[in-house]
Amino acid sequence: AQSVTQLGSHVSVSEGALVLLRCNYSSSVPPYLFWYVQYPNQGLQLLLKYTSAATLVKGINGFEAEFKKSETSFHLTKPSAHMSDAAEYFCAVSGFGSGNTGKLIFGQGTTLQVKP
Amino acid sequence: ETGVTQSPTHLIKTRGQQVTLRCSSQSGHNTVSWYQQALGQGPQFIFQYYREEENGRGNFPPRFSGLQFPNYSSELNVNALELDDSALYLCASSLVSTGGRLTGELFFGEGSRLTVL
Repeated sequence: AQSVTQLGSHVSVSEGALVLLRCNYSSSVPPYLFWYVQYPNQGLQLLLKYTSAATLVKGINGFEAEFKKSETSFHLTKPSAHMSDAAEYFCAVSGFGSGNTGKLIFGQGTTLQVKP
Repeated sequence: ETGVTQSPTHLIKTRGQQVTLRCSSQSGHNTVSWYQQALGQGPQFIFQYYREEENGRGNFPPRFSGLQFPNYSSELNVNALELDDSALYLCASSLVSTGGRLTGELFFGEGSRLTVL
């Protein structure tokens, strides 16, 4: 069975500082991993995904994540935070079988606060 | 905007009632998935519909049921509502190959917020 754990329910950074949101996964099959962002009163938007190609994945809005199999991690980073990055971020793994099934298992989420 | 539309956006029901939520998929997509997002939690997978049949189900009781129509739109029905059913219900559409794997990404709607009193 697959699962994800997001470390830290709330992360606060200053504008311009490094953003680091942590995600660890558990999977009995090669994982497909995703990061989604959710702004207030909106649905989920895909930031980036790992599908067994390059281990460093670049996404939208300057975000990137690195797949580290030895650490079972898929942490999300951004070199310089912007006020507009304030949102809820979810790490997810494709579950219910191998491959990209479209049936996602989400972490609990991390709220990113950006201070001026 | 993803092209996935959900209705209604907000609704209030009482315990024991039944509710139907609707989702219109993005054009060209053949699969719809439903998720329940309780306040302060991550979304939880309810079920997925592919070619009008249920194609996988999460840990939800049978009173959660769904339909997918020939135009790939979908409904989520919840019977005998309980207080814990209060949540944001998200629909996601995607294109799945005949091998059952995603050929693109999931596109989420903005959700239907259900309050059960």
